[in-house]
Amino acid sequence: AQKITQTQPGMFVQEKEAVTLDCTYDTSDPSYGLFWYKQPSSGEMIFLIYQGSYDQQNATEGRYSLNFQKARKSANLVISASQLGDSAMYFCVSSPGTYKYIFGTGTRLKVLA
Amino acid sequence: KAGVTQTPRYLIKTRGQQVTLSCSPISGHRSVSWYQQTPGQGLQFLFEYFSETQRNKGNFPGRFSGRQFSNSRSEMNVSTLELGDSALYLCASSLASGLYEQYFGPGTRLTVT
Repeated sequence: AQKITQTQPGMFVQEKEAVTLDCTYDTSDPSYGLFWYKQPSSGEMIFLIYQGSYDQQNATEGRYSLNFQKARKSANLVISASQLGDSAMYFCVSSPGTYKYIFGTGTRLKVLA
Repeated sequence: KAGVTQTPRYLIKTRGQQVTLSCSPISGHRSVSWYQQTPGQGLQFLFEYFSETQRNKGNFPGRFSGRQFSNSRSEMNVSTLELGDSALYLCASSLASGLYEQYFGPGTRLTVT
């Protein structure tokens, strides 16, 4: 079965430092997408970044970058220069060729002033 | 451009009742997906609609149903409510089905007593 694993239930990072949130996925589909979403305490899910399985380069969006290692089936999110507003739950999501999202269990990030 | 809207935002129902939740996607988006989020089970995919057709369905009982209208708006219905149906129900829209990022609404918090 398709599965997303996020092994860090909670993390702390000092403001202005970089942090890496881990994600490994398990899919047999040759074509798939990997996403990261942020969910603040308000509850709304916010799209951060997308990586396609055939993309040669790692995706970047502002302070977010996705460290995609296909052979290892990992898709770690790197947040540079952390801000207090980055405190939230972060979900790694895969979308295999079955048109549905599979969510990881999430990592709760707390940015310290 | 307006985001995904969900109504109502909060709902309290009693066991055995039924409930209908509504979702209006971003203008131009034709795919709408529904998710259930609970502390115990995390985020689980319910179903996806594209062009008024159900494209995919998660592992939920038949009490959970949905539909999509010609203007892409979608409704989700839960019949014979159970205590375990208490959850945050998230709707997400995307341009089309497949490897597209989804944009989530604020959710409907359903409490079943």
